[in-house]
Amino acid sequence: GQQLNQSPQSMFIQEGEDVSMNCTSSSIFNTWLWYKQDPGEGPVLLIALYKAGELTSNGRLTAQFGITRKDSFLNISASIPSDVGIYFCAGLNTGTASKLTFGTGTRLQVTL
Amino acid sequence: NAGVTQTPKFRVLKTGQSMTLLCAQDMNHEYMYWYRQDPGMGLRLIHYSVGEGTTAKGEVPDGYNVSRLKKQNFLLGLESAAPSQTSVYFCASSYGYLLYEQYFGPGTRLTVT
Repeated sequence: GQQLNQSPQSMFIQEGEDVSMNCTSSSIFNTWLWYKQDPGEGPVLLIALYKAGELTSNGRLTAQFGITRKDSFLNISASIPSDVGIYFCAGLNTGTASKLTFGTGTRLQVTL
Repeated sequence: NAGVTQTPKFRVLKTGQSMTLLCAQDMNHEYMYWYRQDPGMGLRLIHYSVGEGTTAKGEVPDGYNVSRLKKQNFLLGLESAAPSQTSVYFCASSYGYLLYEQYFGPGTRLTVT
């Protein structure tokens, strides 16, 4: 099945640095979601975006729904060690039983 | 409010054995989903349900069956387990109307020997 392209695939950053990652699709979506998955756990929803151009924050996390509806971006400011994990984007179109198309994931590692 | 729960957390099966994975949600969500997650393959949709009494096939349904007899529960069955079904299984649910984000359970790690 289709997977969305996420970049970077992985990144090492120092504590306190800002992080940016993005997700692109060849198809249009009307909803974008961002999840974080810790080892041995299920994905946890971070941010949901419902409108093209929308910018939404959740604490140190900020996500944007691209104007073309084919991409989305996630920024993490002032990273801390507990930000370590895999970040997934997911797109969906309402009316398709809300089935998600997932990104390939960005693995984030934070060094002290 | 427990959200989405899954039982069991871990299970080891021999080839040919059967088992049922249980997913329960207490958020009054209409839609429920079963996924499997394998290294390098991401999350793949097995089956889903858009309401009590309904089920539909996802991307990788072969070898699995599901039932949604009650709104809050979604069962995933393996009739005759195969080593290729060794995976981590996640259940998810969503409201399905106006709010479409999916909430995931903690997962079941299944090994088939």
